[in-house]
This record gives sequence, structure tokens and C-alpha cells, in this order.
Amino acid sequence: DMQMTQSPSSLSASVGDRVTITCRASQSISSYLNWYQQKPGKAPKLLISAASSLRSGVPSRFSGSGSGTDFSLTISGLQPEDFATYYCQQSFSAPYTFGQGTKLEIK
Amino acid sequence: EVHLVESGGVVVQPGGSLRLSCAASGFTFDDYTMHWVRQAPGKGLEWLSLINWDGDRRYYADSVKGRFTISRDNSKNSLYLEMNSLRTGDTALYYCVRSPPGVVGTHYYLYGLDVWGHGTTVTVSS
Repeated sequence: DMQMTQSPSSLSASVGDRVTITCRASQSISSYLNWYQQKPGKAPKLLISAASSLRSGVPSRFSGSGSGTDFSLTISGLQPEDFATYYCQQSFSAPYTFGQGTKLEIK
Repeated sequence: EVHLVESGGVVVQPGGSLRLSCAASGFTFDDYTMHWVRQAPGKGLEWLSLINWDGDRRYYADSVKGRFTISRDNSKNSLYLEMNSLRTGDTALYYCVRSPPGVVGTHYYLYGLDVWGHGTTVTVSS
């Protein structure tokens, strides 16, 4: 099965900062990589699909890049509502595994 | 408005069985592929199973293969998860999730899980 490895597992940052979360697949997944945001007590929300396609209604400060095995999610100009846990997920082949998550906390 | 509402989560003993349901509304149910995803307390997301629009494709995570069965009834706009031989490690919040239809090729390629329910809690404990 495909393994998805996110780094870092946790991250402290300040409002206004630019942060990058990375996700590595154990095999090439082309661009079949999605990013989700989850806030405490809430269901996950799809932010980016196909590695770099921003979902409707998601602020433009979120961006995704990468292909093959290496991907990244960048948030430019952190806002208070961005502090959450972020997950990558490969949608190349079943089982459609998630990364372990990155918890973004306020510094 | 698009909604997915899960039900059926209860406390069950190890070795027991359970059926989760998900009622969909606000969209054409049989246009979409559906999934179950779970999250153990304080842990990350675990994808469990997928069913395509007509049930012709069903995939499972290794952790539930042979124990869980996904199904759907398009006439009732409903998704189900039959869970057997339950273990304490199956304790989790179970989400019903939608995705656009996959692309058939060497694999079944998806473009993200775009609508999530609020989840139903399954606790496996003696």
C-alpha cells in the first residue's frame, strides 16, 4: 500500500507568517494528491485537489504544488482561522491513504 | 444544500456487528462515488472503503477487508457500512464522504473527497 509521510508533525507559527507543509508518497502518484483542513470537533474540509487545484471558496493564501512523490501545501499570511490540523491524501490508487497530519499551532 | 447524515453508531462488544447508515440529500446521489473514513479518538484520518455509483467497484483498507462491507441504495439516497467481527481498535468516529466519480484507468483515480458528514461514533468495548 502507498505510504504518505507528512512533515512536520506539528508546527508553531504566528499570524502573518508563511508556512509550508510537505507530503511525500512512497511511490509516484502523479498529481493525485489532496489537502484537507480539520478544526477541533469538525469534519475535515477539502482545500486542494489534484495537487494544486484550489477548491471553490478556499482563500487564495492557500496553495499546493508538486507531482510524482513530493508535494507541499503553503499558507501565505497565516490568519487566526488557519490554525488547525492539515492532512494530505493520495487519490491515485486504493487504499486512498492519508498522511498522519500536521498540527499548526499559534506561537 | 448538500448534506450527509450518518447514523447507527453505538457501543458494541468485541466480536459484535453493526450497520452504519448515511442519508444523502441536496445532490444527485447516484452521480457520485461514496466513501467511509474513520478517525480514532485523538488520531488521524483513516480511509476505509469506497463504492462507485452502481456498486460495481468496491475497495477496502486492509484493516477492514473481509470484516466490513460497503453498499448503497440509490433509490433511498443511502450509503451503508456493515461491520462484523468488531475489535477495540475499530473504536472511532465514522464519516460518510462524497467524491466526484473516479477516472478509470490502470487504477481508479479520484479528485478529492469534497463533502463530509459530521460522523457517527462507534465504540467497541466490553
